[in-house]
Amino acid sequence: IAGITQAPTSQILAAGRRMTLRCTQDMRHNAMYWYRQDLGLGLRLIHYSNTAGTTGKGEVPDGYSVSRANTDDFPLTLASAVPSQTSVYFCASSAQGDTGELFFGEGSRLTVL
Amino acid sequence: EDQVTQSPEALRLQEGESSSLNCSYTVSGLRGLFWYRQDPGKGPEFLFTLYSAGEEKEKERLKATLTKKESFLHITAPKPEDSATYLCAGAHSGNTPLVFGKGTRLSVIA
Repeated sequence: IAGITQAPTSQILAAGRRMTLRCTQDMRHNAMYWYRQDLGLGLRLIHYSNTAGTTGKGEVPDGYSVSRANTDDFPLTLASAVPSQTSVYFCASSAQGDTGELFFGEGSRLTVL
Repeated sequence: EDQVTQSPEALRLQEGESSSLNCSYTVSGLRGLFWYRQDPGKGPEFLFTLYSAGEEKEKERLKATLTKKESFLHITAPKPEDSATYLCAGAHSGNTPLVFGKGTRLSVIA
């Protein structure tokens, strides 16, 4: 079944370590997004990409970086993890950047100790 | 600043008891208002898009409506399987990403 694949599904990480969350889509969608979801705060946009080769900052980009070398992949990197980055991370894609129909992955639960 | 506010935060209904969820927005030049459903441990799943005031969309027991300032998700005769968190999102014109509300957690009790 076509869709979005995120890895890992769950990870416990020591503070200060580097971590990359992987996201791959097979729908040939142009736009991709990374959100974090925290209790009481809802879904907040970290970074996005409207097309391969371009990226943009969302609401909470500090401490995170992304790259979009090709259409299918959109990895999210935490250069030096901190406990406040403990969250559930969702990757999503849409056919174009100007559509609101996003397809979400199943999420990656990250705990930073 | 674009904002999307949902109410109530949580709603508990008896099976068959109809109700409505509210989403108010302050998004300049709104290009669309979007509803999603999220089940525990899963990613959100797209439900509806509304583009202009007066527009309505329906799917099974759900009906979404839009006015100039807010949107409602009406749930008619809900069943336990309708229990989920319902998210509302908006975006202004262009390629700007969605801004999500914090969601309404709906529980339908048999």
